[in-house]
Amino acid sequence: QQQVKQSPQSLIVQKGGISIINCAYENTAFDYFPWYQQFPGKGPALLIAIRPDVSEKKEGRFTISFNKSAKQFSLHIMDSQPGDSATYFCAAAGNTPLVFGKGTRLSVIA
Amino acid sequence: DTGVSQNPRHKITKRGQNVTFRCDPISEHNRLYWYRQTLGQGPEFLTYFQNEAQLEKSRLLSDRFSAERPKGSFSTLEIQRTEQGDSAMYLCASSFLESGYTFGSGTRLTVV
Repeated sequence: QQQVKQSPQSLIVQKGGISIINCAYENTAFDYFPWYQQFPGKGPALLIAIRPDVSEKKEGRFTISFNKSAKQFSLHIMDSQPGDSATYFCAAAGNTPLVFGKGTRLSVIA
Repeated sequence: DTGVSQNPRHKITKRGQNVTFRCDPISEHNRLYWYRQTLGQGPEFLTYFQNEAQLEKSRLLSDRFSAERPKGSFSTLEIQRTEQGDSAMYLCASSFLESGYTFGSGTRLTVV
């Protein structure tokens, strides 16, 4: 049973465009929702995280939108740059270790 | 502190051999996690420690896998009688309680 479903699997965005990655979860006990960025040969790195008491969190060009009733959250990358090309993972936890989505491979082309 | 350190970075072993990986977490972090990641997939939870106590093990962790964290510092993950299906990236992460995890760069295991 996949606890966190992520889409799309891959995404190609023009430089300067907006990248949007979506995740849905089932377990209502989850109360912590981070996004991780992973480059080839490296471990995942925490990008931004949100808790369900807020509907949006912004850090620089990265924004998480959270919809508690729909059990969905998304990552928006504004002004996408070639250096943002990586694999992005959503994750969730609630007094349990993080469970991860399957990842989205983002390619930002000039 | 240079973050989470994992050794070795790469390991090639013959099927049936035993392998051991080491993880050195961030010193202030009391939790340490092991995950496994295969190509094109997200990290899958294996086990975690709070200080020296192993608090949870995934069903993915067969009897051939064992993890230790003596004295609540570094941790080792041992795989006995390796199988080709064990080929993966083994990731270690640490955190202070439930705060953001910091991952190491992983150990890539190839079983031939």
